[in-house]
Amino acid sequence: GAVVSQHPSRVICKSGTSVKIECRSLDFQATTMFWYRQFPKQSLMLMATSNEGSKATYEQGVEKDKFLINHASLTLSTLTVTSAHPEDSSFYICSARSLTSPSSYNEQFFGPGTRLTVL
Amino acid sequence: QQQVKQSPQSLIVQKGGISIINCAYENTAFDYFPWYQQFPGKGPALLIAIRPDVSEKKEGRFTISFNKSAKQFSLHIMDSQPGDSATYFCAARGVYSSASKIIFGSGTRLSIRP
Repeated sequence: GAVVSQHPSRVICKSGTSVKIECRSLDFQATTMFWYRQFPKQSLMLMATSNEGSKATYEQGVEKDKFLINHASLTLSTLTVTSAHPEDSSFYICSARSLTSPSSYNEQFFGPGTRLTVL
Repeated sequence: QQQVKQSPQSLIVQKGGISIINCAYENTAFDYFPWYQQFPGKGPALLIAIRPDVSEKKEGRFTISFNKSAKQFSLHIMDSQPGDSATYFCAARGVYSSASKIIFGSGTRLSIRP
């Protein structure tokens, strides 16, 4: 299957700082990317959906000014957690989907996740 | 109506046994049902998926059984192995909408005892 990478795999930051997480589709063009958050022993919760070149659509309850999403190209999306606080500590997972690749049409591929710890 | 209900929350199975995880949904617009396997500290990986035009799909030791009228589907892991110990998520999505998103179940933590 197609490969999605995330960087960094884990990050520790101080409260009040901003953190950027990158998500890349390595061997396909991702027309849509998704960002999820997962707390320990819980399911994945969708934060936002982004289509290349347009603004992200945020799920209810997710602060768009706090979680900035940029999907500037068909292979890269970034999530910036602004003014991070300890309650933002979580496992962030991106996912990418292609609507143009015949071999993976509409399939959704997940990245390995980024562990964010805010001190 | 958007929920996918999954049970059990946790499951312990002896090596060589059959692991069974169940899910139910309400939204009849869903027409794609994947199962994901997630190991600690990793992202979820697609295990097997089914569309509602078939009642069963088998890939190796993994089988999905699908009951469209009951709006239920289940994952069976035959000859369960310690390496199968992971968290399993069922999910549902409408395929033919470019805006469709995956709705995850709550997850099942599976432990296979040697």
